[in-house]
Amino acid sequence: SQKIEQNSEALNIQEGKTATLTCNYTNYSPAYLQWYRQDPGRGPVFLLLIRENEKEKRKERLKVTFDTTLKQSLFHITASQPADSATYLCALPSGGSYIPTFGRGTSLIVHP
Amino acid sequence: DGGITQSPKYLFRKEGQNVTLSCEQNLNHDAMYWYRQDPGQGLRLIYYSQIVNDFQKGDIAEGYSVSREKKESFPLTVTSAQKNPTAFYLCATRLGLSTDTQYFGPGTRLTVL
Repeated sequence: SQKIEQNSEALNIQEGKTATLTCNYTNYSPAYLQWYRQDPGRGPVFLLLIRENEKEKRKERLKVTFDTTLKQSLFHITASQPADSATYLCALPSGGSYIPTFGRGTSLIVHP
Repeated sequence: DGGITQSPKYLFRKEGQNVTLSCEQNLNHDAMYWYRQDPGQGLRLIYYSQIVNDFQKGDIAEGYSVSREKKESFPLTVTSAQKNPTAFYLCATRLGLSTDTQYFGPGTRLTVL
């Protein structure tokens, strides 16, 4: 099964800067990789999906990259705002069932 | 949270009692899932169901049971056999087996007293 690694330490940045979060996986390269946002006490919300044949995907201030050689995805938030403060989870399908396996998430704190 | 309802939001239970967590969806999605989330941990899959009247164990099914009698409903029972049930429980749905995005409910926080 996949092992997913996300930085367990919180990322603290100043408003307006670009936040970059990392997701590393250890086994086979998945067909796609997803990023979710989770606010305290709430369920995760889907943000972006990137497929194995895509190098980069953008949505408004969000950008995701997928490097199957490095087995890594980077998640960027440009012009960050305090409202972007949340935990960001990376998820990959595990095995033939395509059921996502989630990383532990990285907490992002954007300071005004 | 979309069209997924979980109730109650907070639940307290005495040791030795079974308790059932509700999950209802009006998204007409085929697949439904139950996850458990502990502080500092990722989501761990308890059970999932891809079709009515069928369900499979996930990674941590021991001490839990589910049913899927209707497409809209996937209740989770936390039994007294679950050794450490205090956690945040999340229900999720997905349109089909091979579609990608999961939609999550608001969660139920279960505390065992």
